[in-house]
Amino acid sequence: SAVISQKPSRDICQRGTSLTIQCQVDSQVTMMFWYRQQPGQSLTLIATANQGSEATYESGFVIDKFPISRPNLTFSTLTVSNMSPEDSSIYLCSVVEGGAYNEQFFGPGTRLTVL
Amino acid sequence: GQSLEQPSEVTAVEGAIVQINCTYQTSGFYGLSWYQQHDGGAPTFLSYNALDGLEETGRFSSFLSRSDSYGYLLLQELQMKDSASYFCAVRDGVTGGGNKLTFGTGTQLKVEL
Repeated sequence: SAVISQKPSRDICQRGTSLTIQCQVDSQVTMMFWYRQQPGQSLTLIATANQGSEATYESGFVIDKFPISRPNLTFSTLTVSNMSPEDSSIYLCSVVEGGAYNEQFFGPGTRLTVL
Repeated sequence: GQSLEQPSEVTAVEGAIVQINCTYQTSGFYGLSWYQQHDGGAPTFLSYNALDGLEETGRFSSFLSRSDSYGYLLLQELQMKDSASYFCAVRDGVTGGGNKLTFGTGTQLKVEL
């Protein structure tokens, strides 16, 4: 199974600033996903990031707020821009290996607090 | 849109059996998955049902009834370490090019002595 790391593991940021979260996978994967999880809540998909193409955003999430890069098959970044306290959440990346779309492997998450 | 409903909380004693239900409404269906998440941890995949019936993996089993849009996760011989949140997830085959999962509301399982 894929091993995924995320940086930073946690951060405290000021309102109006931006934070870039990195996701590194130990194997080449076609599809990567970025989720947001409020404390005690379910996982909400932000976008799907495929290498070589624009990310696909879910309803309620826009590229200007959450720009995503996917420069190769093992790495992706998610930026949370112009942050507000409502962006305080855990951000998780996940990957699919092969065609097993029902089984996703998740990174450890980035716990973001916006003051 | 897609929706998956689960009980918010279930409490059981160590050694017991507990069932966590999931009812779903989706425009398509390509399988029901279950994930476990401990506090502060990442979700981890537990099981997957594409067809009706029971799938068993050690102490955990998962059941699906596509005609009822319903599934459940069965945990046997409960251990304290099973205290966690459990999420069902559906791949509907339509949204996100058929590759994305929609997660349920989540069930927090508390195992007591």
